[in-house]
Amino acid sequence: AQSVTQLGSHVSVSEGALVLLRCNYSSSVPPYLFWYVQYPNQGLQLLLKYTTGATLVKGINGFEAEFKKSETSFHLTKPSAHMSDAAEYFCAVSQGNTGKLIFGQGTTLQVKP
Amino acid sequence: EPEVTQTPSHQVTQMGQEVILRCVPISNHLYFYWYRQILGQKVEFLVSFYNNEISEKSEIFDDQFSVERPDGSNFTLKIRSTKLEDSAMYFCASSVTGGKGPPQHFGDGTRLSIL
Repeated sequence: AQSVTQLGSHVSVSEGALVLLRCNYSSSVPPYLFWYVQYPNQGLQLLLKYTTGATLVKGINGFEAEFKKSETSFHLTKPSAHMSDAAEYFCAVSQGNTGKLIFGQGTTLQVKP
Repeated sequence: EPEVTQTPSHQVTQMGQEVILRCVPISNHLYFYWYRQILGQKVEFLVSFYNNEISEKSEIFDDQFSVERPDGSNFTLKIRSTKLEDSAMYFCASSVTGGKGPPQHFGDGTRLSIL
């Protein structure tokens, strides 16, 4: 079975600082990986995805993630945090023929002025 | 941009009552999903639905739960006899096709509170 672990339930950065949200996965087959963001009182919005090909994936709002097979990681980064980035971030792996998503616990990003 | 819409946004129900959560997936999508998120816990898969039948369900999705696509646009989740532990945020999602590649598009969720 596949699983996802997000290290750090809460991450706090200053506005303008680097954002790094960690995600590690466990999978016996090549994983399809996703990052979703959830703003307060809203649903899950797709930030980016990795399926095959280029290991550095660019997403919306300046976020990117790098798939590292050797480290079984898919960390999310953004060079410069903005106040509007404050939200909860979920890493997920897609599993099986139906593509059901297996989510990590989520990381709440706080951005301080 | 097309969206997945869910109604109601908040549902309060007495324990033991039946509840129906409604979703309108994106129109050209073929796979539909329900997930739930209990407060403070991770988002959990409940069920996937394709071609008018359940394609996969989790252990959570017991006989108290059912899904239906009653017409060409709605996708519903019914909980027959609600329990306190059913209190959670329920998310509907849809994707163009199934499989691991296509991203799932989520609605804003229905917050279900069981009293």
